[in-house]
Amino acid sequence: AQSVTQPDIHITVSEGASLELRCNYSYGATPYLFWYVQSPGQGLQLLLKYFSGDTLVQGIKGFEAEFKRSQSSFNLRKPSVHWSDAAEYFCAVGPQTGANNLFFGTGTRLTVIP
Amino acid sequence: DAGVTQSPTHLIKTRGQHVTLRCSPISGHKSVSWYQQVLGQGPQFIFQYYEKEERGRGNFPDRFSARQFPNYSSELNVNALLLGDSALYLCASSLVGRAYEQYFGPGTRLTVT
Repeated sequence: AQSVTQPDIHITVSEGASLELRCNYSYGATPYLFWYVQSPGQGLQLLLKYFSGDTLVQGIKGFEAEFKRSQSSFNLRKPSVHWSDAAEYFCAVGPQTGANNLFFGTGTRLTVIP
Repeated sequence: DAGVTQSPTHLIKTRGQHVTLRCSPISGHKSVSWYQQVLGQGPQFIFQYYEKEERGRGNFPDRFSARQFPNYSSELNVNALLLGDSALYLCASSLVGRAYEQYFGPGTRLTVT
């Protein structure tokens, strides 16, 4: 069965500090991988995606993520966090064939302190 | 271009009632998916519609149904509402052939009392 684990429910970082949000997945085959961000009262915005090729992918707002097949991980990183990055972050996986639905993790809430 | 739009923004219903939520996809997007996001959880897939046909269904009871119209907009219907149906309902649209690049609307917050 498919599953996505985001082990950190809540993370607090200082503005300007680096950030890494963890994501592990369980899947029958290599899935498509995504990170979304959700601000309070808002829908989900796609930060970045991995389909194939280079395992380090760049996204919007200065975010990047690295796919590690051996660890079934797709961690999100940012070298310097801005106060506006405070939000909920969701990792998601989708099958490469068949139904096009996404499976989401439970999210990590990011708080940024001045 | 306008993004995915959903209506209404908020809705309060009583147990046992019926509700209809609406979604308009991004212009040119023919695929629409619906997700339920319970407070404190990630979104859960309910339905996908493409070219007005159901293409996928999540693990939801038959009280949940949806349809897609010729203009590719979509409705999600929920009958016999339960307290547990209280959630944010998200609609996402995508291009044909790029169904994984889903663009989400702001959602409809449904409260069942």
